[in-house]
Amino acid sequence: EDQVTQSPEALRLQEGESSSLNCSYTVSGLRGLFWYRQDPGKGPEFLFTLYSAGEEKEKERLKATLTKKESFLHITAPKPEDSATYLCAATENSGAGSYQLTFGKGTKLSVIP
Amino acid sequence: DADVTQTPRNRITKTGKRIMLECSQTKGHDRMYWYRQDPGLGLRLIYYSFDVKDINKGEISDGYSVSRQAQAKFSLSLESAIPNQTALYFCATSDLPGGGEETQYFGPGTRLLVL
Repeated sequence: EDQVTQSPEALRLQEGESSSLNCSYTVSGLRGLFWYRQDPGKGPEFLFTLYSAGEEKEKERLKATLTKKESFLHITAPKPEDSATYLCAATENSGAGSYQLTFGKGTKLSVIP
Repeated sequence: DADVTQTPRNRITKTGKRIMLECSQTKGHDRMYWYRQDPGLGLRLIYYSFDVKDINKGEISDGYSVSRQAQAKFSLSLESAIPNQTALYFCATSDLPGGGEETQYFGPGTRLLVL
């Protein structure tokens, strides 16, 4: 069964304390790996899509990287406003006309001033 | 104005009732999706549509149906609501420009409580 597993489930950081969130996946034939940010009571907000091992993308204090088995979301010098739940999701090459998207359960990040 | 809107934002209904959740988008995307989110389970795909004439079941379609009335509108129906359909429902849209990367945009969600 295809799976996407995120760790840790929750992470508390001091403001300025850099860290990484992990997303490991077992989908066969990865087509794309997505990262989202979700604030309480709101819909997920798209951050990045990664397609191939070795690919990296950056946006402000966030950098996403991808290997053949996992993706990392690196947060550099986080601020309290970075507090949110971060979700990753993977799509696979599942045949013409079909679509398979699997989400992880998320990592809840809290950044303490 | 929001690019993806959902109505209603909150709904309380009783077991056995038929309800419809509506989604509209102004992004001009062909692809639309319905998800549900449950605590501890994450987001799960219910149905998706790649264009007006295309409807596909997702991971958890049982008990749900959809209608793609136009490129901009995608509705989710619960024919006979049951308590375990209590969840947060999200509509999303995406495009996949030729050779480009897919970007998904989510609506604000509909919180549904089935008594």
